Formats: sequence, C-alpha cells, structure tokens
Amino acid sequence: KNQVEQSPQSLIILEGKNCTLQCNYTVSPFSNLRWYKQDTGRGPVSLTIMTFSENTKSNGRYTATLDADTKQSSLHITASQLSDSASYICVVSAGGGGADGLTFGKGTHLIIQP
Amino acid sequence: NAGVMQNPRHLVRRRGQEARLRCSPMKGHSHVYWYRQLPEEGLKFMVYLQKENIIDESGMPKERFSAEFPKEGPSILRIQQVVRGDSAAYFCASSLQPSTLYEQYFGPGTRLTVT
Repeated sequence: KNQVEQSPQSLIILEGKNCTLQCNYTVSPFSNLRWYKQDTGRGPVSLTIMTFSENTKSNGRYTATLDADTKQSSLHITASQLSDSASYICVVSAGGGGADGLTFGKGTHLIIQP
Repeated sequence: NAGVMQNPRHLVRRRGQEARLRCSPMKGHSHVYWYRQLPEEGLKFMVYLQKENIIDESGMPKERFSAEFPKEGPSILRIQQVVRGDSAAYFCASSLQPSTLYEQYFGPGTRLTVT
C-alpha cells in the first residue's frame, strides 16, 4: 500500500531560526514528489515539485531535497518568518492518469514564535 | 481571477438537509478533483472528474454523495441528507492535465458544518 509519512507532526521554532521537515514514502512506481504549504483556513499552495532526477530544488527560503534511493525528502526553511506558520504537506505521485495516484501525507504543523 | 474558486466558503446545514458545493476550475483546466479534510487530518481524495465525465470516484462514499462537472458551469459536489460526520473542509483542485503528472491548483475550500 502506498504511504507517505511526515515528521515531526508539529514543530515550534523561534522566528529567524532554520528548520527541516521530513517526508518518507513507500510509493511505487514513483513519478514526482511535491511539497505544499497550507495556511490555516486556506487551500494548499504548491512550493516545489521534484521528479526522480532532481536532488534539490529551491523556492526562495524553501529548499526541498529528494533521495529516491532511500525514498526520503526534506523541506528546509531558512531564516523563518512568522508567515511561515502553516501546515506543510508532502505528496507523492505514482504516475498514471487517475487522482488515486497521489498519496498525501498528514502534514507537519509548523508554528513560528516571535 | 486566475485561481480556483469555491463557493460558498462556509456552509451550515441541519442534519438531513442537502449541501451543494461549487467549484470553478482555473481557466483552461478540464480536470477537477475533490478532497475532504477533517480537523487534524490530511487531505483525502474523493473524486476526479473531467468535463462531463467521472474518471475516478473511488474515494467518495457510495451513498448520499455525488459529483458532476457539466459541459458548462462549475463542478458540483452534492451531499444529500447530511449527518454530523460530514462536517469538514472540502477542497477542490484543478489541473491542465492529469494531476499525477502535472501541477494541481487548490481552491480556498468550503467549510461545511452540520448542526
């Protein structure tokens, strides 16, 4: 069964600090991996989408890494800001044409404190 | 407005009533997906539609739930005879091509409360 596990479940850090969120998956076959940011009461917004051949991808202060051998991904946030407080969702695609090819993690709830 | 639109944003229904949730995809997108999110839970896939066709409804309960995406107009998720357990946030997403290969864009969600 395809699964995506995220850790930690929640995280509190001080403004200005860095943090790293983890995503482990058992999805086969693998097509791509995505990270989304979901603000409270809003829909998810895409941060990055990475294919098998990509190891690192950055979007501003967000840097995602992918190790397809160990089936692990991380999302690193640099110099955190209060606006980074949100849930971060890892989604892995098994390819194919149906939406059931997407497996969603439960997310990491990040709180940035001033 | 280039984004995915959902309405209403908040919907309150009494047990036994019907709920209709609407989703207008991004311009040019013909693939629409509906997800349900319970508090403190991840997004759960419900149904995938293309114009006038249901492609995959494996995540949608067989009873009381239905979805459509007509040739003209928004996609509709319909919940008949709502129960308290239907209270959740319902998100719609759209994509240009099948979402497993292409980017999905999410709407702001409809928060359904059943009293």
